[in-house]
Amino acid sequence: AQKVTQAQTEISVVEKEDVTLDCVYETRDTTYYLFWYKQPPSGELVFLIRRNSFDEQNEISGRYSWNFQKSTSSFNFTITASQVVDSAVYFCALIDPNSGYSTLTFGKGTMLLVSP
Amino acid sequence: NAGVTQTPKFRVLKTGQSMTLLCAQDMNHEYMYWYRQDPGMGLRLIHYSVGEGTTAKGEVPDGYNVSRLKKQNFLLGLESAAPSQTSVYFCASSYLRPNTGELFFGEGSRLTVL
Repeated sequence: AQKVTQAQTEISVVEKEDVTLDCVYETRDTTYYLFWYKQPPSGELVFLIRRNSFDEQNEISGRYSWNFQKSTSSFNFTITASQVVDSAVYFCALIDPNSGYSTLTFGKGTMLLVSP
Repeated sequence: NAGVTQTPKFRVLKTGQSMTLLCAQDMNHEYMYWYRQDPGMGLRLIHYSVGEGTTAKGEVPDGYNVSRLKKQNFLLGLESAAPSQTSVYFCASSYLRPNTGELFFGEGSRLTVL
């Protein structure tokens, strides 16, 4: 069965600190896709990144970076020099092959609080 | 750009009442989804649709029904609301399967069942 675990329920940091959000996944498939979504206080989820299982290169986008390690089944998300606007709930998700790759299984989310 | 629009945004029901949540997207997306978000539970898929006239069950379908009569609309119905259905409901859509395209989410609908 598919599973996404985000063990960190809530993280609090002070602005300009670096912070890493952990995501561990379980799947029996060799082809799979992982995602990160951001849910700011306004409520609407926003897509951040998609990564397939064949691409283990780390990705950097501005202050955001992602570390994908198949050996440990992890897809961790790091925010460098955090800002108050980064305060949100962050969800990691895994595509579900049982639905013909039509649906996502989400983790429970990590709430990030960045204080000034 | 409207994107994904959910109505109503807020609703209070009494146990046993029925209601319908409407999701409308103007992006010509094939795939549409209904999720519920509960504290400590993350997002759980209720039902989804891969095209007009099709629907399928997700992880937590009991107590809900859906219809996709028009490509742009995906309705979520509660025939006899229960307090356990108090939640925030999110609709999402995507042009193609999520492995090739992102999901676009609505702003959510907060439902309270007394």
